Amino acid sequence: AIRMTQSPSSFSASIGDRVTITCRASQGVSSYLAWYQQKPGKAPKVLIYAASTLQSGVPSRFSGSGSGTDFTLTISCLQSEDFATYYCQQYYTYPLSFGGGTKVGLK
Amino acid sequence: EVQLLESGGGLVQPGGSLRLSCAASGFTFSSYAMSWVRQAPGKGLEWVSSISGSGGSTYYTDTDSVKGRFTISRDNSKNTVYLQMTSLRADDTAVYYCARGNTYDYADYAYWGQGTLVTVSS
Repeated sequence: AIRMTQSPSSFSASIGDRVTITCRASQGVSSYLAWYQQKPGKAPKVLIYAASTLQSGVPSRFSGSGSGTDFTLTISCLQSEDFATYYCQQYYTYPLSFGGGTKVGLK
Repeated sequence: EVQLLESGGGLVQPGGSLRLSCAASGFTFSSYAMSWVRQAPGKGLEWVSSISGSGGSTYYTDTDSVKGRFTISRDNSKNTVYLQMTSLRADDTAVYYCARGNTYDYADYAYWGQGTLVTVSS
């Protein structure tokens, strides 16, 4: 099974900051990588799929990059509504797997 | 508009069974793979199971805790996917989400239900 490792697991940031979250796969997943945002009590929301494709309706301050085993999610200018937990997920092969999550808090 | 509506969760004793349902609408159900993803209280997301559009292929997490106890199925005439859970344990306590990908077979989950809570406790 492919293990997805996110870093950091949590951090604090300020509105307007540029934020980067990394995700590493234990083996190559090509570009079959998605990023999700989840807020408490809500279902996850996909932000990025195919490693770098912005989901329709998602603000352009979110971007994704990478392929193979190393991926990043970047928020170019953090907004108040972006404080949440973020997950990466590989859908290259079964069993599918999520990263452990990165919680972004307010500094 | 794509909608996914889970039901069937609740309180069950250890060793008991539950069947979760996810009623879908707003798309050609039989064309899309469907999945179940769960989230234990205060924990991260865990993929549980997926089924192809025809129902001919099924996939499960290889976590020892699920294998052989959960069965995914679908009824394309009812636009519904199911998760039959048996021999339930305390660590199965979670919100269970039904999810669908952007395209037919991909599991980039663009659509999620609201989730149904399963609590396993005596």
